[in-house]
Amino acid sequence: EAGVAQSPRYKIIEKRQSVAFWCNPISGHATLYWYQQILGQGPKLLIQFQNNGVVDDSQLPKDRFSAERLKGVDSTLKIQPAKLEDSAVYLCASSLSQRVGYTFGSGTRLTVV
Amino acid sequence: AQTVTQSQPEMSVQEAETVTLSCTYDTSESDYYLFWYKQPPSRQMILVIRQEAYKQQNATENRFSVNFQKAAKSFSLKISDSQLGDAAMYFCARYNNNDMRFGAGTRLTVKP
Repeated sequence: EAGVAQSPRYKIIEKRQSVAFWCNPISGHATLYWYQQILGQGPKLLIQFQNNGVVDDSQLPKDRFSAERLKGVDSTLKIQPAKLEDSAVYLCASSLSQRVGYTFGSGTRLTVV
Repeated sequence: AQTVTQSQPEMSVQEAETVTLSCTYDTSESDYYLFWYKQPPSRQMILVIRQEAYKQQNATENRFSVNFQKAAKSFSLKISDSQLGDAAMYFCARYNNNDMRFGAGTRLTVKP
């Protein structure tokens, strides 16, 4: 089966600019996650979707981050405006059942200068 | 907060030797799942092994095995016959109540 696809692979922007990341999960996986991984740390959940509904966005900085999953398939994560501390790898994952683990994409490395 | 702790930021092993990575976790639940993920420089997190908390038998996957000590809330990963391709960041994770939480990771270096 095809894996979780993410784009772009790298992005460099200036602070206060906007950026968007795209994720296409494994076909049939109802649950989709966006994680932020700051250098030297483990991934931290930003938002979880079940189909096209939000299950958990408690750690999403809603003043600047937004995410959507139209039609319950692919998803976009947007940052507007970006801050220096948003520099991180943004990982997308999907799962059929959370108990068996997630399948991750290769992530987008964002650098804010 | 219910946390996952990996006390070894870095570990090193000689090729063909065995290494053990430590992980402890905190949870008030009796039903939960534990995972080890590998993250090579390509950044993609790859599931290495999983353990259901209700199972007493330790999980094994080829050269990878775990030592699950439920009372101590410990979940260590043993890599036998280490290979150069095992070099990566390893993350321990705990899932319960719709919440997957990761540790800070251990960087494993394999020396030829």
